[in-house]
Amino acid sequence: EIVMTQSPATLSVSPGERATLSCRASQSVSTNLAWYQQKPGQAPRLLIYGASTRATGIPARFSGSGSGTEFTLTISSLQSEDFAVYYCQQYNNWPPEGTFGQGTKVEIK
Amino acid sequence: EVQLLESGGGLVQPGGSLRLSCAASGFTFSISDMTWVRQAPGKGLEWVSVISDDGRRTYCADSVKGRFTISRDNSGNTLYLQMNSLRLEDTAVYHCARGMAGAGTSWYFDLWGRGTLVTVSS
Repeated sequence: EIVMTQSPATLSVSPGERATLSCRASQSVSTNLAWYQQKPGQAPRLLIYGASTRATGIPARFSGSGSGTEFTLTISSLQSEDFAVYYCQQYNNWPPEGTFGQGTKVEIK
Repeated sequence: EVQLLESGGGLVQPGGSLRLSCAASGFTFSISDMTWVRQAPGKGLEWVSVISDDGRRTYCADSVKGRFTISRDNSGNTLYLQMNSLRLEDTAVYHCARGMAGAGTSWYFDLWGRGTLVTVSS
């Protein structure tokens, strides 16, 4: 089973600043990695798949990069609506247990 | 509107049963692999179970295997999760989601429901 580890657990950022979130896989997942955003009481929303492809309707300030075991989600200029929890998910390997990272909370500094 | 709407959650005693439903609309349900993902209070996302578009292939996480059964009704655009022998640790919000097959052997999830809360307590 692949273990996905996200860092940091909490990221304090001021509006307008850049946020960089990391996700590490315990073994290579190629570029089969997705990122999700979740706000309190809401469903998760797909942001990125294929490590770097933005999902439909996702603003260009969200970008993903990486391959193999190291991945990054960058939010170029944080807007008020971006304060949320972000999860990475690998879909390279079967079975899907442990597919999600534990999440990074992006909070207002 | 493309959406998933879960129902069926509630309070149940340990050892009890519950059946969750997920009503799909706005897309072709019958060609979509579907999954259940849960989230314990204050915790992260945990994948639970998946079913192929035709319902012939299913898989459950070890944590629920033998207790939970995923199924679907393509004529009624509905996904189900039958939960038996419920435990305290099954308390969570249960989301249904549409699976998209990428280049890997598993899925990412492009459409999610808001979830239904299952509370297992005596």
